[in-house]
Order: sequence, then structure tokens, then C-alpha cells
Amino acid sequence: AQSVTQLDSQVPVFEEAPVELRCNYSSSVSVYLFWYVQYPNQGLQLLLKYLSGSTLVKGINGFEAEFNKSQTSFHLRKPSVHISDTAEYFCAVMDGYRSTLTFGKGTMLLVSP
Amino acid sequence: EPEVTQTPSHQVTQMGQEVILRCVPISNHLYFYWYRQILGQKVEFLVSFYNNEISEKSEIFDDQFSVERPDGSNFTLKIRSTKLEDSAMYFCASSETRRNEKLFFGSGTQLSVL
Repeated sequence: AQSVTQLDSQVPVFEEAPVELRCNYSSSVSVYLFWYVQYPNQGLQLLLKYLSGSTLVKGINGFEAEFNKSQTSFHLRKPSVHISDTAEYFCAVMDGYRSTLTFGKGTMLLVSP
Repeated sequence: EPEVTQTPSHQVTQMGQEVILRCVPISNHLYFYWYRQILGQKVEFLVSFYNNEISEKSEIFDDQFSVERPDGSNFTLKIRSTKLEDSAMYFCASSETRRNEKLFFGSGTQLSVL
């Protein structure tokens, strides 16, 4: 079975600083990778996804992620965060043979002035 | 942008009671899902539903759980006899295709079993 590891439960950063949220997944022949964001009292919103092609994926709100097959990682980055980026971020994986997502535990990004 | 709607946003119930969580998926979507998140834990898959039948379910989705699409627009999750450990945030999701390339989630129903 697939598993997703988000090592950091909480990442505090100052506004305008860069941030990286880490995600590692268990290996599989074919995977699709996703990052979701959950703002307070809201549902899960898709930030970006990797299905195939270029390993650098750009998403909404200035976020990007890089698929690294050899390290089985899909870390999320943003060069300069805003207060409004404060939210919980979930990495998820779907293997090529199923239609269900396996999520990580989430990383709470706390941006302060 | 279209959205998945879930009601109620909060549900409090007594242990052993039946609860029904309701979802209105996006109108042209064909695949429907329930996920849940126990506080402090991962978001977990419960069940997927397509063409009026369950297509996949996890080991969490035991005989106490059932899903239904009663009227072509609503998608419900029923827990027959709630347990304390059923307390969680329940998310409904829908997608146009099986591949979940664009999966839309609702804002969730927080279920508290006392």
C-alpha cells in the first residue's frame, strides 16, 4: 500500500521568507502526486499536481513542487510567502492503478509578520 | 467556480445513534468519494461511488457505513450506530473522471460523537 510522509507537522516562517514543505512517498511504478491546501474552516483545495512530463510543477498562489523519482520526494516550495499562505498543506499520492488518494498527515504553515 | 456542498458543517450525536452526512457534488461529476480526518491524523479514504454502486472501499468502511445517491443530486454517508472513534471531519469529494486529476472537495462535516 502507498504511504506518504510529511515529516514536519508545523513550519513557522516570517512573511516574505522562502519555504519548503517536505513530502516523501513510498515507491511505486506509476504515481500521480498532489498538494492540497486547507484554509481555516474550508475544504481541501488543489494546489498543484504531477501526472507526467516536466518534473517541476507550478501551481496556484506562486507555489511549485519538484518530483524527484530517485528520492521519492515531491517537496513544495514558495520563494516568498504571505500571511495569507497560513494554512494546512497536504501531500497526496495516487498510484496509477487506483482512483483513491493516500494523504500525508499534513504540515501546518504558520506565516508571521 | 463550481463547488461541492456539505451539510451540516457540524453534527453532534450520541453514541449509538444513526447519522446521515449530506453532500451535493458538482452537477456533471460522475465519481464520488468520502474521506475522513480524525483530529491530528491523516486524511483517510473511506469509499468511492460510481454508477450507483460502490467501486472501492477501505477497511474503515465496515457494515456500519453505507452510501447512497438517493435522488441524482445528493450523495449521503450514513453511519448506522455511531461510536466515539467515528468522531472526525468527513469530506465529500467528486470528480468528472476516474483519475482524480481534478478532484473537488467539500468543506467537510465535523462529526462529534459523545
